[in-house]
Amino acid sequence: NAGVMQNPRHLVRRRGQEARLRCSPMKGHSHVYWYRQLPEEGLKFMVYLQKENIIDESGMPKERFSAEFPKEGPSILRIQQVVRGDSAAYFCASSPPGLAGSREQYFGPGTRLTVT
Amino acid sequence: GQQLNQSPQSMFIQEGEDVSMNCTSSSIFNTWLWYKQDPGEGPVLLIALYKAGELTSNGRLTAQFGITRKDSFLNISASIPSDVGIYFCAGQLRTDKLIFGTGTRLQVFP
Repeated sequence: NAGVMQNPRHLVRRRGQEARLRCSPMKGHSHVYWYRQLPEEGLKFMVYLQKENIIDESGMPKERFSAEFPKEGPSILRIQQVVRGDSAAYFCASSPPGLAGSREQYFGPGTRLTVT
Repeated sequence: GQQLNQSPQSMFIQEGEDVSMNCTSSSIFNTWLWYKQDPGEGPVLLIALYKAGELTSNGRLTAQFGITRKDSFLNISASIPSDVGIYFCAGQLRTDKLIFGTGTRLQVFP
C-alpha cells in the first residue's frame, strides 16, 4: 500500500529558474495539501486542493507560486523565478474523504529545494 | 495568525524513562494531531484526537485533547532509542489547514 509519493527528493535550481515539485497522493485520497518547512522550524501550510479545484490558498505567496491538482496525474507545486529564500523542504500530504476538519493528513518524504 | 506553543523545546533522557510534552494555543481547534519527524523525512502521524477530553493510546504513546480545545499533551512511556526524533503537535481547523507547533526534539541515551 504505497504512501504519498513526492519527486524529486532533492532539487537544485539557480536563481531565476523554475522549480516543479510533484506529489502523488495515497490511493483513495482525493485531498492534497502542500506545506513548507524551513530548517529548525515547524511546517507552514501553503495550499489545499481537490481534483481540479483550489480549496484554500491562504498560505501561498501572492507571486511566483502556483499549485494544481489535475483530473489525471499528480499535484504540482510550481515556483517561478526562484530566489534564495525559496530554499526549504516542501511537503505534500493527502487525506481520505471525510468530514472537513477531521481528515487525517499523511505526509510524503518531501522535496528539498536548494537555490544557488 | 494562530500560533502553537510547544514545550519543552528539547529533551535529553535515559532509555526507559517516560516523556511528556505539550502544546497550547490561543485558539480552539477541531482536531489535534501528533507527528514524529526523522531527519530528512516527512512527518509520520502518531495519534489523532477528535473530541475535547479524549484520551487515546497507540502502543507506548498516549495523547489527550484538552477540555478547553486549546491544548494537547503527548506521553511516551518506557522510551527506547528509536524514539529519537522531533515531535510536532498540529491543530486542525474546520478548513482542514494544519497549524504546526515548533517541535520538541527528543534525544534518548542508552
